[in-house]
Amino acid sequence: DVKVTQSSRYLVKRTGEKVFLECVQDMDHENMFWYRQDPGLGLRLIYFSYDVKMKEKGDIPEGYSVSREKKERFSLILESASTNQTSMYLCASSRGTSSIDEQFFGPGTRLTVL
Amino acid sequence: TQLLEQSPQFLSIQEGENLTVYCNSSSVFSSLQWYRQEPGEGPVLLVTVVTGGEVKKLKRLTFQFGDARKDSSLHITAAQPGDTGLYLCAGGEGTYKYIFGTGTRLKVLA
Repeated sequence: DVKVTQSSRYLVKRTGEKVFLECVQDMDHENMFWYRQDPGLGLRLIYFSYDVKMKEKGDIPEGYSVSREKKERFSLILESASTNQTSMYLCASSRGTSSIDEQFFGPGTRLTVL
Repeated sequence: TQLLEQSPQFLSIQEGENLTVYCNSSSVFSSLQWYRQEPGEGPVLLVTVVTGGEVKKLKRLTFQFGDARKDSSLHITAAQPGDTGLYLCAGGEGTYKYIFGTGTRLKVLA
């Protein structure tokens, strides 16, 4: 059974803190994604990685950075958390880079920044 | 920025009823995917359509891609409580980029 896991289901942080969200996939997928999900806005792509140490900015990268040191692990970093980064964060992976490829999602991390 | 508008935003129906969810854009997509997300879980892929006018069926769910590849619909026949969830459409731009719709939250009452 394919799996994408995220390190925390719920996280509460204070404004200005550095936050790490970890994602691990066991499918040997090349591609990994970080999205944020907000009501009425769907999923918005923050960053995409197509290989180890390779990354591309998505639609809303401001305030975020990422790290991919190993193929199976993709981390999202909030350098200095702000209240407008309170959201649900979803990690996903896919085998190919075509838009017909299936993305496999983790269960999400609900982050609250106070 | 491309947008995919879904309608309705919320839908609450009785078990056994039929329903249709719409996904509309002014832009053309190379493919269209539908996902279902249950509470506490990530989205799970239901179907991918790639040809204008294409119709795919998955048990009681029927998916259609518009002829001009700008819109799609999802029809559920005889809805069941297990169909409850957030339905998301996602338009593909040919590469890894997807534009996700605004979502339709469906609740089917027993």
